[in-house]
Amino acid sequence: DTAVSQTPKYLVTQMGNDKSIKCEQNLGHDTMYWYKQDSKKFLKIMFSYNNKELIINETVPNRFSPKSPDKAHLNLHINSLELGDSAVYFCASSHGRGDQYFGPGTRLTVT
Amino acid sequence: QKEVEQNSGPLSVPEGAIASLNCTYSDRGSQSFFWYRQYSGKSPELIMFIYSNGDKEDGRFTAQLNKASQYVSLLIRDSQPSDSATYLCAVITGTASKLTFGTGTRLQVTL
Repeated sequence: DTAVSQTPKYLVTQMGNDKSIKCEQNLGHDTMYWYKQDSKKFLKIMFSYNNKELIINETVPNRFSPKSPDKAHLNLHINSLELGDSAVYFCASSHGRGDQYFGPGTRLTVT
Repeated sequence: QKEVEQNSGPLSVPEGAIASLNCTYSDRGSQSFFWYRQYSGKSPELIMFIYSNGDKEDGRFTAQLNKASQYVSLLIRDSQPSDSATYLCAVITGTASKLTFGTGTRLQVTL
């Protein structure tokens, strides 16, 4: 029944490591997003894919690389993790509009 | 100037009162406006959207839009303790379905 799911829910890792977060939606939406919410709770878009095509690519370090194998899945790979990458990462999906459905979030802690 | 501005609060209202949450945006070309609610430790969820000037009502919630003043508001009637959350204003500008969020207003409904 879960509409937008993310794994893992929590991720604790050391600086310099590489990690991935996975997202899946079963809503039949064709657009998926990655957001970052920092410690001040500011929610900022990072990437968006529409039918596997990258359509939004905000000013994000190129250590972050999204991949969309199909329109129901969007993954985020992060290389060489830094302390400043600690945040909650949300995946979302929609029919390409602002009424977006968010996943439960992945809390990333870099030590 | 931030693209979407909200007072961070906390806004404290007694149970049963009307809570009024405000948001201003800088891009006059903004097309669509959304209010999301985020409980502590949870993901944002859409509660209202509005596209045209005027009021839009849904249950205890009313969204108000004034494009000339670049102002969006959310009224919550008969506020309940369960309404205590952070309310995020979000705006779409352009065609890329990019949602720009404000920093959110924390609402506290007191008994």
